[in-house]
Amino acid sequence: QKEVEQNSGPLSVPEGAIASLNCTYSDRGSQSFFWYRQYSGKSPELIMFIYSNGDKEDGRFTAQLNKASQYVSLLIRDSQPSDSATYLCAVNKWGRDDKIIFGKGTRLHILP
Amino acid sequence: DGGITQSPKYLFRKEGQNVTLSCEQNLNHDAMYWYRQDPGQGLRLIYYSQIVNDFQKGDIAEGYSVSREKKESFPLTVTSAQKNPTAFYLCASSLGTLGNTEAFFGQGTRLTVV
Repeated sequence: QKEVEQNSGPLSVPEGAIASLNCTYSDRGSQSFFWYRQYSGKSPELIMFIYSNGDKEDGRFTAQLNKASQYVSLLIRDSQPSDSATYLCAVNKWGRDDKIIFGKGTRLHILP
Repeated sequence: DGGITQSPKYLFRKEGQNVTLSCEQNLNHDAMYWYRQDPGQGLRLIYYSQIVNDFQKGDIAEGYSVSREKKESFPLTVTSAQKNPTAFYLCASSLGTLGNTEAFFGQGTRLTVV
């Protein structure tokens, strides 16, 4: 089982609709969860981070974490063409083996 | 301006050569990371370092080497033992050991074997 799993997509969403991106992780010791956006040929940029169970909202973005189900998601409301990118889920486990592991990413395409 | 600087942006390597990719940060971060990204793929961890003079292998360390002699610098050497080195290489840093912080990325180095 891979440490961080994402559906590779592409996920196509009409402009103005809600895009829902999902991620599961295998290590129950994981404590920090991040969503990055990566445009083609560019380096990833942080969109959201979440540490506690529940929802965290920032503008059009909402991150959701369920540690019991080992599941983290990202919702993008009022999707814009500029949201078309690859979204990477990342997980960090605290402690001696502190490292950040990324999923393969989900390609999101917003249809004008 | 604080940030992470990778150089060069593009690098061409002949078969059998070693090359070193530079990564420097002035964010006063303890932890630094090297990732490799192949087309259409996610980021795979090569090496990471939580503190000066210490580093650990990631998932794909074979054919690579690193050093962490200074807090600001974490160079990656791609050796001739790496059979398929053509990829996009990303360096990142974070505040570190508490784990409660995100990684910030450099602009990446695109390595091509010719």
